[in-house]
Amino acid sequence: QVQLQESGPGLVKPSQTLSLTCTVSGGSISSGGYYWSWIRQHPGKGLEWIGYIYYSGSTYYNPSLKSRVTISVDTSKNQFSLKLSSVTAADTAVYYCARAELANPVDYWGQGTLVTVSS
Amino acid sequence: EIVMTQSPATLSVSPGERATLSCRASQSVSSNLAWYQQKPGQAPRLLIYGASTRATGIPARFSGSGSGTEFTLTISSLQSEDFAVYYCQQYNNWPPELTFGGGTKVEIK
Repeated sequence: QVQLQESGPGLVKPSQTLSLTCTVSGGSISSGGYYWSWIRQHPGKGLEWIGYIYYSGSTYYNPSLKSRVTISVDTSKNQFSLKLSSVTAADTAVYYCARAELANPVDYWGQGTLVTVSS
Repeated sequence: EIVMTQSPATLSVSPGERATLSCRASQSVSSNLAWYQQKPGQAPRLLIYGASTRATGIPARFSGSGSGTEFTLTISSLQSEDFAVYYCQQYNNWPPELTFGGGTKVEIK
């Protein structure tokens, strides 16, 4: 059973960089075949896909966030990470890490972590 | 970008009744459509993929139909644990494109 777990600060100051890590257990990121994603949900709102990374390091980001997003992978630790720069209150959300196979929907999600942007 | 539109935004249903939720895509996504259920404080849970295939462990009262641009999720007889928010997601252009609908909240009437 694959499990994903987000970790990182729950409070970030405006203009700073939000950093989160997702630790994967029960499966290896480096085995390939899966796209490791970040998805967020503003309070009381719907789901917004942020971007993904493949084990090889190839990435793709939501065009609306592309200029501020970096997703990286550390296969030795079986982790992938999200950095979102120049945050504002509008970036306050629950951030989920998730897994999706090629041509398939997201099948595994982390429990989510609330990040609040506030001074 | 493919835009997914769900209706209604809120659906009030009595326990035991049938619920019918709709999802429309701005362009054809073939059968590459999934449905998720989300309860407060929890991550979404995959219910249906391929427009009509139930995910592992999903009760038979959940069914999906449709293809192209019009999709439906039906809950045949609502149980107390089914009151939640439901999202559709297209993965026709995945990767890289993966988009969600705005959600339908199913509440107790």
